[in-house]
Amino acid sequence: EDQVTQSPEALRLQEGESSSLNCSYTVSGLRGLFWYRQDPGKGPEFLFTLYSAGEEKEKERLKATLTKKESFLHITAPKPEDSATYLCAVQAFHTDKLIFGTGTRLQVFP
Amino acid sequence: DSGVTQTPKHLITATGQRVTLRCSPRSGDLSVYWYQQSLDQGLQFLIQYYNGEERAKGNILERFSAQQFPDLHSELNLSSLELGDSALYFCASSVEPTSVSGNTIYFGEGSWLTVV
Repeated sequence: EDQVTQSPEALRLQEGESSSLNCSYTVSGLRGLFWYRQDPGKGPEFLFTLYSAGEEKEKERLKATLTKKESFLHITAPKPEDSATYLCAVQAFHTDKLIFGTGTRLQVFP
Repeated sequence: DSGVTQTPKHLITATGQRVTLRCSPRSGDLSVYWYQQSLDQGLQFLIQYYNGEERAKGNILERFSAQQFPDLHSELNLSSLELGDSALYFCASSVEPTSVSGNTIYFGEGSWLTVV
């Protein structure tokens, strides 16, 4: 069964304190791994799609990496406005749907 | 703003009732997805339509149904509502089925359903 596990469930950082979020997955043939940001009561906002092991993508203070078993979302020198829940999802070759993890709730304090 | 529009944003209804949630996909997107997000679970895939036809079905209850109209907007119908149906319901869209093109799936802001 395709599955996504994210850790930690919650993360508290001081402004400027870099860290990484983990997304471990099992999928029967990975088509793509997606990262989304979700603010409370809002819809998920697309960040990145990674397609193959070794691929990396960056956007402002965020950098996503992918291996054959997991993905990391690195946050460099975070700011309070980076506070949100970060969702990881995988898509298998045999389907269009995304399978989501339960997310990491990030809080960045000034 | 993702370009995916959902109405209503909030809805409170009683158990046993029926509601309809509406979704307008991004301009040009042919594929529509419905997801449910409750407090104790992550985003759960319900159903997908592509150009008016059902393409994939996930964990959707028999009390729930959906359709995509010729103008590509979609509706999710929830009937015989139970307290446990209270959740955020998201619509998402992509240009084509992502298994074909690898296109990104963009989400709307969701419809908050509270069943009392």
